[in-house]
Amino acid sequence: QLQLQESGPGLVKPSETLSLTCSVSGGSIRNRSYYWAWIRQPPGRGLELIGRIYDSGTTFFNPSLESRVTISADTSNNHVSLRLSSVTAADTAVYSCARGRDSSVYAYSFDFWGQGTLVTVSS
Amino acid sequence: DIQMTQSPSSLSASVGDRVTITCRASQNIGNFLNWYQHTPGKAPKLLIYAASILQNGVPSRFSGGGSGTDFTLTISTLQPEDFSTYYCQQTYRSRTFGQGTKVEIK
Repeated sequence: QLQLQESGPGLVKPSETLSLTCSVSGGSIRNRSYYWAWIRQPPGRGLELIGRIYDSGTTFFNPSLESRVTISADTSNNHVSLRLSSVTAADTAVYSCARGRDSSVYAYSFDFWGQGTLVTVSS
Repeated sequence: DIQMTQSPSSLSASVGDRVTITCRASQNIGNFLNWYQHTPGKAPKLLIYAASILQNGVPSRFSGGGSGTDFTLTISTLQPEDFSTYYCQQTYRSRTFGQGTKVEIK
């Protein structure tokens, strides 16, 4: 069974860079049938896609975050990373990673998710 | 951007009730619509993909319908474990979620 686990600092200071890792077990991230995404949920609000990365290395980002986001894949360690720079309190959220099925047959749905990790931006 | 609007934002229901949640897209998205269940402290769970196809392992009391701009998620007989928050997601252009519908115990 595929499992995704997010990890990283739970507290980040304003203006610094948030860095998270999504460790994948039970399957390889190197698979053309899937892509990998980061999603966040600010307190009391809904889900927001941050961005996604494909097996080719191609990335797409939420336009509202694009200038500050980097998503990368480390196939050697089987994990996907997120970096969000110049954070503010508005970036406080639960950050989750998910696997997407890269096929219109599956409507590109996310079939596995991590539990998420809370990141608070505060001095 | 394609906006997704769910209604209601919350509802109260009893075990055994039939519950329907609606999701409206700001433009035609065909059947590129997925439904997720999210219980606090747990990983979100895919329920329905491509508007009406039940994900493997999901109970048959869940069903999805619609196409174009209007979609529904129906729980035919609400069970205790179904009290949760439900999100629709469009994947026609990028990926955006509805704001969620919280199903609470009456």
